[in-house]
Amino acid sequence: KQEVTQIPAALSVPEGENLVLNCSFTDSAIYNLQWFRQDPGKGLTSLLLIQSSQREQTSGRLNASLDKSSGRSTLYIAASQPGDSATYLCAVSASGYSTLTFGKGTMLLVSP
Amino acid sequence: GAVVSQHPSRVICKSGTSVKIECRSLDFQATTMFWYRQFPKQSLMLMATSNEGSKATYEQGVEKDKFLINHASLTLSTLTVTSAHPEDSSFYICSARDMGGVYEQYFGPGTRLTVT
Repeated sequence: KQEVTQIPAALSVPEGENLVLNCSFTDSAIYNLQWFRQDPGKGLTSLLLIQSSQREQTSGRLNASLDKSSGRSTLYIAASQPGDSATYLCAVSASGYSTLTFGKGTMLLVSP
Repeated sequence: GAVVSQHPSRVICKSGTSVKIECRSLDFQATTMFWYRQFPKQSLMLMATSNEGSKATYEQGVEKDKFLINHASLTLSTLTVTSAHPEDSSFYICSARDMGGVYEQYFGPGTRLTVT
């Protein structure tokens, strides 16, 4: 059974810092991996999707990498801003037709 | 990007009544939609997978007679919480899978259900 772990569970940084969120998964046979953002009381916003054949994806200040063989992904946030404060969730899919397995998330607080 | 809507965003109902939550994919067709439940400060728990034109597949421990799911069209799935009780109070989120391209899932904004 796939298990997804996210470290750290919570992170507090001052504005402007570059930071890395970690995600690991136990079964390397994944189809894709998605990073989401969730604001309190809101739904999930998809940030980046990495196919199993890809090594990384970038969107603005966000960069996600994938090392499928070692079962790891990182989300890099450059020049963090208070508006980046949210919970970040990592999820993997075993195939295009399967459900997502979520980690428990990293709660990020960026202080001005 | 693809958009998924949910209605209502918030609902308060009395114990014993039923509540229907709608999930719509606005600009793409979704043969598969998913229903999740989220408790405070917890991650998402998959409740069921909804397939257009067929019966939903429920996760272990989820009562199918209590949480009725209907996926009548390629853009609409509904979740009905029947005979709601206070312990059903939660945040319910749906997602829809875009079958074109990379099978990405898009999530709705969620529905906060409070049963009094």
